[in-house]
Amino acid sequence: QVQLVESGGDLVKPGGSLRLSCAASGFSFSDYYMNWIRQAPGKGLEWLSYISRGGSTIYYADSVKGRFTISRDNAKNSLYLQMNSLRVEDTAVYYCAREGGVVDVWGQGTPVTVSS
Amino acid sequence: EVVMTQSPATLSVSPGDRATLSCRASQSVSSNLAWYQQKPGQAPRLLIYGASTRATGIPARFSGSGSGTEFSLTISSLQSEDFAVYYCQQYNNWPRTFGQGTKVEIK
Repeated sequence: QVQLVESGGDLVKPGGSLRLSCAASGFSFSDYYMNWIRQAPGKGLEWLSYISRGGSTIYYADSVKGRFTISRDNAKNSLYLQMNSLRVEDTAVYYCAREGGVVDVWGQGTPVTVSS
Repeated sequence: EVVMTQSPATLSVSPGDRATLSCRASQSVSSNLAWYQQKPGQAPRLLIYGASTRATGIPARFSGSGSGTEFSLTISSLQSEDFAVYYCQQYNNWPRTFGQGTKVEIK
């Protein structure tokens, strides 16, 4: 079945870095756009970043531009989010999400906590 | 960016009743509007896309309408499994933006 599994979430100090991964299965990964979306504790959903099928087109939310980098490896059916200069306000559950025009499949999320 | 505003923040409804949730965009998003349902501890689930098309496997009691800046999600007869938080999202413009959510709770 179609599945997205995130990993890499952890407790990190402010200013630190973290790399999230998302493993895709059950569908042709290279045929889909992909996104990262997060949800702070008790809060709503915040779209973070988008990458096109071949990786040539990328968008970021202003809140993470210059600090986060999205990438993908279609040979490994994997999506990544490199997060640098982490802030306390980056604490959230991070979801990877498939998009075929609309975000239609979400992973279960991986928690990131930024605290000293 | 397009600001999405949902109302009400909380909707108290009895099982079997009808619920109507609203979503307003700060500028036209055409019909590029999706609705998601999220239950505690779970990832969101796509309910409606294109403002009015039900996603695969979504029951017919869920319906969406609207275009431009005004949208609504109607649940015709609330079942126990429908009590959750609902989010609208526009995918017409970058950045993609979500509404703040409407919590549908048991009255």
